[in-house]
Amino acid sequence: QVQLVQSGAEVRKPGASIKVSCKASGYIFNTYGITWVRQAPGQGLEWMGWISPYNGNSKSAQRVQGRVTMTADTSTSTAYMELRSLRSDDTAIYYCARVTLIAGVDENYKFDFWGQGTLVTVSS
Amino acid sequence: DIQMTQSPSSLSASVGDRVTITCRASQSISTFLNWYQHKPGKAPNLLIYAASRLQTGVPSRFSGSGSGTDFTLTITSLQPEDFATYYCQETYDNYPAFGQGTNLEIK
Repeated sequence: QVQLVQSGAEVRKPGASIKVSCKASGYIFNTYGITWVRQAPGQGLEWMGWISPYNGNSKSAQRVQGRVTMTADTSTSTAYMELRSLRSDDTAIYYCARVTLIAGVDENYKFDFWGQGTLVTVSS
Repeated sequence: DIQMTQSPSSLSASVGDRVTITCRASQSISTFLNWYQHKPGKAPNLLIYAASRLQTGVPSRFSGSGSGTDFTLTITSLQPEDFATYYCQETYDNYPAFGQGTNLEIK
C-alpha cells in the first residue's frame, strides 16, 4: 500500500534552516510528483511547492521562493524539503503528499496520499 | 493568482443532517477542483477530485458538483466521523491554491 513517512518534529531558532524528509513506499517513486503543504497554528492549508522525482524539476510558491529547496533521491525513494532563514511564522506542520495526474483530464491532478506531518517550531 | 473563497467558514450540524459547503474561484477553473477533509492531528484526506469524482474508498454520502467558478461539496446523512475541516483546492494552474477552510462542528 502507498505510504509516505516523514521525519520527526524539529525545533529551530530564527535564521536557522530545516530539512524535512518524506520516504515513499508502495509505488514507483519517480512516476509521481511530490508536493509540500503546511499548516500554521490556527490557519488553513498552504501549498509550498512540488518536485518531479523523475527529472528533478520543481516549482515553489511565491511566499517561500528563494528560501525553499525541494529535492528527491530516487535511490531511496525519499523527497526532501529544505527551508532556510526560518522565521517565527514558519512554525507549522509540514506535510508531503503524492501528486497523481487524473486520467483523461489533461494537466489535472490530485494530492491522493499524504505523509503524517512534521511539526517545525521556530522559536528563540 | 487564483483565489478560492469558501462559505460558510464554520457550520454547526447534527448527525443525520445534510450539509452543503460552497467554494467560489476568482476566475473560471473548469472542473479543476478538489475537496479535502482534515481532522486535527491527522493528514488531510482527499474526498473529491475533478469537481465531482469520488476518490476510491470515500463513502458515497460525499458528493461534489459545479464547474467554472462555483462548486459545492454535499454530505448527506452526516456521521460522527464527518466532523472536521473541509478545504477546496483549485488545480487549474501549477500554483494550486486552497480555500480558507470550513469547520464543520457538532450542534
